[in-house]
Amino acid sequence: DAGITQSPRHKVTETGTPVTLRCHQTENHRYMYWYRQDPGHGLRLIHYSYGVKDTDKGEVSDGYSVSRSKTEDFLLTLESATSSQTSVYFCAISLSGTTDTQYFGPGTRLTVL
Amino acid sequence: DQQVKQNSPSLSVQEGRISILNCDYTNSMFDYFLWYKKYPAEGPTFLISISSIKDKNEDGRFTVFLNKSAKHLSLHIVPSQPGDSAVYFCAASAKFAGNTGKLIFGQGTTLQVKP
Repeated sequence: DAGITQSPRHKVTETGTPVTLRCHQTENHRYMYWYRQDPGHGLRLIHYSYGVKDTDKGEVSDGYSVSRSKTEDFLLTLESATSSQTSVYFCAISLSGTTDTQYFGPGTRLTVL
Repeated sequence: DQQVKQNSPSLSVQEGRISILNCDYTNSMFDYFLWYKKYPAEGPTFLISISSIKDKNEDGRFTVFLNKSAKHLSLHIVPSQPGDSAVYFCAASAKFAGNTGKLIFGQGTTLQVKP
């Protein structure tokens, strides 16, 4: 199994509060991704990173920001959580991006009340 | 605008029989396709992939077929086992277009294999 951990694994928060999810990898992979999974939509890319301090938007990036100050950590921040951001969030890693399979973490279930 | 579609939300098959999961795509730039399997409360795990230069790829009980003209791919599982019961996602990428590996996923198909 790829060495990917996500924290927290579960979180309940209230509308309007900031939330940060953490993805940590021990594989030294260059590429990291954040997805959300919702019924009827599969997994959708939020943001991704192709190196330290190098990030770009995915297809559902509104309301989210990311940061990557170290190779091993990729943070996803909801600046002001909304109920529409209730979802399961998955982090994924890839060695080279274009030529390798992505490997996923165990997920974080976020509920925004 | 769903570029990757799995039109069957669920599929039920008997143990030992063949399971066929289908996936359609609309973007002709996609050149790499993957199947992931997901158990409840776990992350997706990679199952099998296929490049657009091939029309078939096989790995043990799993075979993926690609029909580029129809923009259709399918995953065959033979023989199906109860442990195969999971949600299956197909995903597509414009891998050779330098898109940094961004994957577009289908909605998923829940497979139930009955003993």
